[in-house]
Amino acid sequence: DAKTTQPTSMDCAEGRAANLPCNHSTISGNEYVYWYRQIHSQGPQYIIHGLKNNETNEMASLIITEDRKSSTLILPHATLRDTAVYYCIVRVAKGTYKYIFGTGTRLKVLA
Amino acid sequence: NAGVTQTPKFQVLKTGQSMTLQCAQDMNHEYMSWYRQDPGMGLRLIHYSVGAGITDQGEVPNGYNVSRSTTEDFPLRLLSAAPSQTSVYFCASSYSGDRGKAFFGQGTRLTVV
Repeated sequence: DAKTTQPTSMDCAEGRAANLPCNHSTISGNEYVYWYRQIHSQGPQYIIHGLKNNETNEMASLIITEDRKSSTLILPHATLRDTAVYYCIVRVAKGTYKYIFGTGTRLKVLA
Repeated sequence: NAGVTQTPKFQVLKTGQSMTLQCAQDMNHEYMSWYRQDPGMGLRLIHYSVGAGITDQGEVPNGYNVSRSTTEDFPLRLLSAAPSQTSVYFCASSYSGDRGKAFFGQGTRLTVV
């Protein structure tokens, strides 16, 4: 089954770029990588997803390595409000519809 | 659109009691799922549904039942509550064409004493 691995925690200075890595070396060929964040105990919020190419939206950028075994979520100018737990997820296996979250990365943006 | 609505927001149960956590979405999403989150932990998948009448188990299904009689609703039933089921429960829904892009409810905080 595919799964993801992320660092437990990271700090980032306010105004700097926050780069959050995710390893998904067991991902299947046509599976997307999705990123979410969870602020305090609120429901997770979708951020961005990608397959092969780099993606950008109003919230973040996503860089996926050419071999698709890892990706990096980039918050270009982190603010205190970006302090949250960030999750990258993939579908567990083709033919299933399970998405497993794991423990995520706790990002703390420092003033 | 209200999005994904979970009720109640808070609940205290005694061991052995049963109850149903409600989840409703108004986005006509086919895919719905239930997760639980224990303190300081990530989300764990309990059950999910790919459409009305179709459900399947996730990582931690024991002690929970689900059914999906309509597209809009996906209730989660605790059959006989145990203290180990104290957790925050999140319901999510997504469009069948992109199941990984989910919308989450605000959660139900359940305490079993």
